[in-house]
Amino acid sequence: GENVEQHPSTLSVQEGDSAVIKCTYSDSASNYFPWYKQELGKRPQLIIDIRSNVGEKKDQRIAVTLNKTAKHFSLHITETQPEDSAVYFCAAAYTGGGNKLTFGTGTQLKVEL
Amino acid sequence: GAVVSQHPSRVICKSGTSVKIECRSLDFQATTMFWYRQFPKQSLMLMATSNEGSKATYEQGVEKDKFLINHASLTLSTLTVTSAHPEDSSFYICSARDPTGGFPNEKLFFGSGTQLSVL
Repeated sequence: GENVEQHPSTLSVQEGDSAVIKCTYSDSASNYFPWYKQELGKRPQLIIDIRSNVGEKKDQRIAVTLNKTAKHFSLHITETQPEDSAVYFCAAAYTGGGNKLTFGTGTQLKVEL
Repeated sequence: GAVVSQHPSRVICKSGTSVKIECRSLDFQATTMFWYRQFPKQSLMLMATSNEGSKATYEQGVEKDKFLINHASLTLSTLTVTSAHPEDSSFYICSARDPTGGFPNEKLFFGSGTQLSVL
C-alpha cells in the first residue's frame, strides 16, 4: 500500500517568513495530493490540492509543488501569519482506486510574533 | 465547499457499552464515505471505507465486528463502536467524497469529528 512520509514534524517560523513542508510517497500510481490544515480538536480543512498532471499550483499565499519522478511534493506558505499556526497534513491517493487517502504524519506549524 | 455533519461531537461512555456515531453529507450524495481514527498528536488512520448499499471495506488490523459500519442511504453512514473499552478512546472522524466535480475532480470533505472517551 501507499506510504507517505512528512517532514518536519514541527516547524517554528517568525511572522512574515515562509514555511515549507515536504512529503514523499511510495506508490507511483498515486495521482492526487491534497493538503489539510487541522486546528486542535477540529476537522481537517482542505487548503490546496494538486493532481499528477500538474507540477505546481498556487492559491494566494499557499503553493504546492509536485515532483512525480522523485515522488515528493511540498507545501509552501509565504508571508506567514499567526492564524496559520496549526497542524498540516499531506496526503496521497489514487483516484481510480476510490480516492482512499493515505496521510502523512503531520507538521505542527507555529508562527511566532 | 461541501458540508459533512458528524454527531455527536463528544461522547463519554462506560466500558462495555456501545456508541453510535453518525456522518451525514448535507448538500451532496455520497456513495462512499471513509472513517478515520486519530490519536492525540498523531495522523489520521483510515479504519474503513463505507459503501452505500454494500458492506464496508475494513483496513488491515481493524476489527469489523467491533467497529460496525452501516451506509444505508446516500447521505448517511454510521459507525458503531461495540463493547467499547478505554483503549478505544480516540477522535473518530468521517469524510465523504463530493462527486459533483466529476471524476477525477472529486474532493474529500471531513466531518467535525467525535471525541470518544471510554471510562
